[in-house]
Amino acid sequence: DVKVTQSSRYLVKRTGEKVFLECVQDMDHENMFWYRQDPGLGLRLIYFSYDVKMKEKGDIPEGYSVSREKKERFSLILESASTNQTSMYLCASSPYRGRTDTQYFGPGTRLTVL
Amino acid sequence: QQQVKQSPQSLIVQKGGISIINCAYENTAFDYFPWYQQFPGKGPALLIAIRPDVSEKKEGRFTISFNKSAKQFSLHIMDSQPGDSATYFCAASMDSGYSTLTFGKGTMLLVSP
Repeated sequence: DVKVTQSSRYLVKRTGEKVFLECVQDMDHENMFWYRQDPGLGLRLIYFSYDVKMKEKGDIPEGYSVSREKKERFSLILESASTNQTSMYLCASSPYRGRTDTQYFGPGTRLTVL
Repeated sequence: QQQVKQSPQSLIVQKGGISIINCAYENTAFDYFPWYQQFPGKGPALLIAIRPDVSEKKEGRFTISFNKSAKQFSLHIMDSQPGDSATYFCAASMDSGYSTLTFGKGTMLLVSP
């Protein structure tokens, strides 16, 4: 079974703090994705990566950055957290670059920025 | 911007009834149409998917109907059960490119006992 784990289920941070969200997948997948999920807005793609050290912007990259130093790990960074970044963050992975396959999601991190 | 429009936003169905969720897309280059199911506190999980070479795909009580000319596809849940209560997302993607999915905004389904 594919397993995607996220470092925290719940996180509370203060405005201006630097926030790291970590995601690890155990199936040697090439693609990894970060989404945010908000009520009524669905899943919106923040960033994705198709290889180590490679990253591409999604639909809403502003205020976020990412890092992929190892194939199995993809980090989402909020350089200076703001209250409008309070949301559910979901990480996903899929097997092959350039081919549409099932995306496997982690359980999510609910981030609250005060 | 590529969009996938999903309706309704929420749906209440009696146990044993048929749940129907509809999606429409704009980009004719889309060639993969999955549906994801999400239970509270969990990440979404693939439920069923279709490619445009067929007009219908059935897996158990779940069926995708696909209308290429209308650029629409729908999820039908037959004999809906309380355990089907979840949020459902349609999505679309192109095989060429970066394998990203464009998601609809989701439908919250409640199946009443």
